[in-house]
Formats: sequence, C-alpha cells, structure tokens
Amino acid sequence: DGGITQSPKYLFRKEGQNVTLSCEQNLNHDAMYWYRQDPGQGLRLIYYSQIVNDFQKGDIAEGYSVSREKKESFPLTVTSAQKNPTAFYLCASSHQGTTNEKLFFGSGTQLSVL
Amino acid sequence: GEDVEQSLFLSVREGDSSVINCTYTDSSSTYLYWYKQEPGAGLQLLTYIFSNMDMKQDQRLTVLLNKKDKHLSLRIADTQTGDSAIYFCAENRSGGSYIPTFGRGTSLIVHP
Repeated sequence: DGGITQSPKYLFRKEGQNVTLSCEQNLNHDAMYWYRQDPGQGLRLIYYSQIVNDFQKGDIAEGYSVSREKKESFPLTVTSAQKNPTAFYLCASSHQGTTNEKLFFGSGTQLSVL
Repeated sequence: GEDVEQSLFLSVREGDSSVINCTYTDSSSTYLYWYKQEPGAGLQLLTYIFSNMDMKQDQRLTVLLNKKDKHLSLRIADTQTGDSAIYFCAENRSGGSYIPTFGRGTSLIVHP
C-alpha cells in the first residue's frame, strides 16, 4: 500500500541534544512538508521541499533543519537551539504543480523533553 | 490576525447535524479544504471545494462556500460517535507554491 511513514511514534529529547524525526513516502510525490502541532494552535509550517536537493523555510523554521537527498525521504532535525520542542510533528506529501494541493499526512511523532 | 479562523469546540448529540464554520482571508484562494484528525493520528482529507462553487455534497458531508464573506462551512448529517475528531479548515495560499494554510481546528464532540 502506498503511504507516508513517520518514525518513531514517540521521542524524548534531553537538554542540549539534537534529535531527528524520520519521514518516508512511497507515493512518488514531489513535495514534502513538516508541520508542528501544539494544542489549540493548529498546524504551523516548519519546512517544505518541492524537489530533491531543495527546500524552503516555513513560518517557524528557527531551531530546525531538514535535508532532501532522496525523493522518498525528508528527515527533520530538532536542534538544541529549539528551546520549546515539545509538540506533535506531522509530515505530509503532495503532488506538485497544481493549484489543488491535497496533502497526505503521516501518523505523527510526539516529541517530549526529558 | 490569523489567515484561517475556526471556533475551537463543538458539541452535538448523536443523530443531530453538526455544522463547523471557518473564515479565511485570502480572497484569491482557489481551493478550500476540510481535513479530519482522529486522536493521536495524522490528518486525512475529507473533502474540498473549488472557489467558483458554492456547494458540494458528498454522502453525509455538505460544504457551503460564501466567497463574498470568505466563509466556509462543513455540515455533517446524522452525526455519529465515530465523527468525534478535530476538523481543520485550510485554504491554499495564492502565489507560486499553493501550500495550504490551516486553521486551529474545531474539536467535535459527539455524545449519546
């Protein structure tokens, strides 16, 4: 079955530590996205990538980094510079090049600080 | 202010209709979307409407669009306990990338 897979489901970060969240898709989608979800605040865009080896900052990119070395993969690193990392992180993908960007989401990673 | 606004909570009785409302600000949005999120899961696209339409019906779901007032609503007929979830309204941003902008989400609680 085609889909988008995030791992791990739960992740704990110690102070000063970088952690990496995995996102893989086999939908042959060009575009991939990372969103952060906080209770009552909806989804905020962290980074997005429309093509391999290229990505753009979203609304809240500070303290995060990404790479897009393969079409299928878009890992997100939460760096020690992100002072409030506790949140639910959602990865999504879509076809690109149309005005109707329907997003397909993974099941999310809950990141908590120890 | 926010690009997309929704009320945070809605409580309905099982079997009644639910109406979830949304207002958006970008008059050049071409598509508007409703996504559903069940607890601990990702979002799932429920339905969408093109901006030159004013209504779209899909089984128990009815989407109404008032482009003049920039108001979008989702009506769920015969609401069931399985409909309990967070519902997100989204609009695509005008410009080159057309990345959807999401509202804060409305938590729908269905009680017997």
